[in-house]
Amino acid sequence: GENVEQHPSTLSVQEGDSAVIKCTYSDSASNYFPWYKQELGKGPQLIIDIRSNVGEKKDQRIAVTLNKTAKHFSLHITETQPEDSAVYFCAASSNEKLTFGTGTRLTIIP
Amino acid sequence: DTAVSQTPKYLVTQMGNDKSIKCEQNLGHDTMYWYKQDSKKFLKIMFSYNNKELIINETVPNRFSPKSPDKAHLNLHINSLELGDSAVYFCASSQGWVNTEAFFGQGTRLTVV
Repeated sequence: GENVEQHPSTLSVQEGDSAVIKCTYSDSASNYFPWYKQELGKGPQLIIDIRSNVGEKKDQRIAVTLNKTAKHFSLHITETQPEDSAVYFCAASSNEKLTFGTGTRLTIIP
Repeated sequence: DTAVSQTPKYLVTQMGNDKSIKCEQNLGHDTMYWYKQDSKKFLKIMFSYNNKELIINETVPNRFSPKSPDKAHLNLHINSLELGDSAVYFCASSQGWVNTEAFFGQGTRLTVV
């Protein structure tokens, strides 16, 4: 089955700086890669996703890149703000099943 | 106007008891899921239903039994609860069951004592 690794597990960034979270996946058949944000006491919420026919996607301060050859994808958050503090999960979809990474706790330091 | 709602939000019960968690979605989606999030925040799928039919059944003990009376509801019944069942359980739904956004409920924190 699919295996998704996510790094780092914790990340502290000064407000206004950029944050990068990286994930690797094992199943070359995976073709959908969403990123979810989970705030304290809430369920995960989709913030951006990318499909295997695209190398990069951007939505305001958030961007995701995908390298299918190397089987890794990354989340980039620019101009970080205090409300970006949360746990972020990457995921990969293979055989109609979504496998999540282990999460990154992002803390924005004011 | 909650999209995916679960009840209860918190559940504390003794080992050996049987309990149910209810989930309802008002998004008109045809696929619903149950996920388990452990104490380390690891999120893993348990079940997936599409149009009331079971699609995914991960290696979950038989004590866990999902039931989908209609497309808008997916309940989770757990028999003979064990300490290791303590976790946060999330219900989710999506339109279609392949490569689409999943909308999650707020979770049910189950504590078995």
